[in-house]
Parts: sequence; structure tokens; C-alpha cells
Amino acid sequence: EVQLVESGGGLVKPGGSLRLSCAASGFTFSSYSMNWVRQAPGKGLEWVSSISSSSSYIYYADSVKGRFTISRDNAKNSLYLQMNSLRAEDTAVYYCARGRFTTAKFDYWGQGTLVTVSS
Amino acid sequence: QSALTQPASVSGSPGQSITISCTGTSSDVGGYNYVSWYQQHPGKAPKLMIYEVSNRPSGVPDRFSGSKSGNTASLTISGLQAEDEADYYCSSYTSSKVVFGGGTKLTVL
Repeated sequence: EVQLVESGGGLVKPGGSLRLSCAASGFTFSSYSMNWVRQAPGKGLEWVSSISSSSSYIYYADSVKGRFTISRDNAKNSLYLQMNSLRAEDTAVYYCARGRFTTAKFDYWGQGTLVTVSS
Repeated sequence: QSALTQPASVSGSPGQSITISCTGTSSDVGGYNYVSWYQQHPGKAPKLMIYEVSNRPSGVPDRFSGSKSGNTASLTISGLQAEDEADYYCSSYTSSKVVFGGGTKLTVL
């Protein structure tokens, strides 16, 4: 059974940093591209970042470029999102999702982790 | 403002059919056959319902179907059931990013 479990969310002050993790199981993690998608409270989905299976290709939404860094450790079956210079508008539930972003097909999603940016 | 335009809400009675539209541009929906649809129940993670315009993942009922014409994609749900009540989001690939619609709340009357 495919499982994606996010962790690392919490309350952080504006300008602060946070690192999210996503632990994957039930599939060959190193064979799949992975993604982060977020959802602000009461709002719609927003694609954040994608990374190819070997980390060769990395993409970011304009809203986070230069502040967020996506990475993965295939030996640990884990995906990460380092978030720096956080702003109030980054407050959201962050989901990790499996799939090739070039097809917009995200076939498995984690349960999400809430990031709140507030003073 | 979302990149793809969806109606804020649609409704239908059990057994009826509804269609949710998703309008983009020639740079996203119209330019690629990479449109997906996601279902999200309150407090839950999104679930993939349709990919590559009209393909259903294993386990998704055939009551769900997708299509595209020009810059507009559509999700049709036939034989509406109470459990179909949820938010639905379309998405499309476009030049090194993925864009989502603003979401449509489906109410089953």
C-alpha cells in the first residue's frame, strides 16, 4: 500500500524557517518524481515544487522561488521542503504527492501538515 | 485568482448527471492533453479522479468521465450519489509548472 506521511509543520514567525519531511513507503520511491502542493485555509490547491526521481530536474512556483528548496533522499525514501523567509501567505496545509508534474498527474497524496506563519 | 477557471458551485439530485467546466488558455488546457481532476472531501487529502483528460485510475467508478474541447476541460459525473458531494479541482501542466483551478463545490441535493 502506498503511503506518504508528512511531518515538520507548525507555528513559525514571519521571516523564519521550517523544514518539512515526507516519508514514503509501499512503492519504489527512487523511481518516481515527487511534488509539494499546498492549500491555504479555506482556499484551493496551489502547486509549490517538483523534483524528478534522481533530483536532476527541480521546479518551483514563482511564489516560492528563491525561498523554498525541495530535495529528496532516495536511500531514506524521503522528500523534503526547506522553507526560508516565510511569510503570512505561506500559511497552508502542505501535501506531498507522487507523480510526474509534466503530466499534472498526482496519483497519491499524503494527509498533509499544517504550516502557520504568524507573529 | 486561479490560473484555471471553474464554477464556484454546482448541484444535482441523486441519479442525475452534472458537468464541471475548467477553462484555461492555449498555453495550458488547450496546449496539452495533461488535464487532471481531483476530488477532495472536507479535511481530507485530494484524490485523483481523472488524468490525461479522460483516463480513470483503477478504482475510480466509471460514473466519472473527462473530456476536453479547445481551452476547456470538463468533468462529468453521472448517476450522482451522496458520497460524490465534495470539492473538485482541475489541473493542467503548462511550461514548467502545474496550475490548478479554483475548485468547484458539488452539492448533492
